[in-house]
Amino acid sequence: DTGVSQDPRHKITKRGQNVTFRCDPISEHNRLYWYRQTLGQGPEFLTYFQNEAQLEKSRLLSDRFSAERPKGSFSTLEIQRTEQGDSAMYLCASSLYRQGYNEQFFGPGTRLTVL
Amino acid sequence: QKEVEQDPGPLSVPEGAIVSLNCTYSNSAFQYFMWYRQYSRKGPELLMYTYSSGNKEDGRFTAQVDKSSKYISLFIRDSQPSDSATYLCAINDYKLSFGAGTTVTVRA
Repeated sequence: DTGVSQDPRHKITKRGQNVTFRCDPISEHNRLYWYRQTLGQGPEFLTYFQNEAQLEKSRLLSDRFSAERPKGSFSTLEIQRTEQGDSAMYLCASSLYRQGYNEQFFGPGTRLTVL
Repeated sequence: QKEVEQDPGPLSVPEGAIVSLNCTYSNSAFQYFMWYRQYSRKGPELLMYTYSSGNKEDGRFTAQVDKSSKYISLFIRDSQPSDSATYLCAINDYKLSFGAGTTVTVRA
């Protein structure tokens, strides 16, 4: 399978715990995006990388959230001291950036439940 | 004000009906308009996109953009039960800004 993969698919944690999600983009895609989707809403942009550089972070990404893409390949999203409001689907997408159109391919998501 | 507003639905139609989905957007500078389909507990998948104004057709699906009114539409002809999903409009400006999504059920 050469699509975007995410791990784990589901995560249940207790409030206050730290969690880390992983995203493996499509090989050779230079851009990687993280989005968050809550029930009944569309995905909301969190942050994105071009290669290993984090180029933008949304105001939704509080200080408890950190994302990395150390070698410009896979990425991790860590949430520290989880809160019940963090319960959501976390989606990763990747693209091969060219000037103009920039199609993003999504992974299956990681569903986080904070108890 | 959100960048993209989408009719919330839900929408339930009989098989064979035409499904009409609509969104509005706020920034006239946007050029790429996307429609994604999302099945339950899956990631969104791109259905089709339109650049600037006009129509684009792909099989039973037609996307329309009216930049003068900042209006985006998707039409599904001869709808099938397999079309039952959530449809998300989005504008593509290096990052995606999505509408809330409309859940469509096509009844056999």
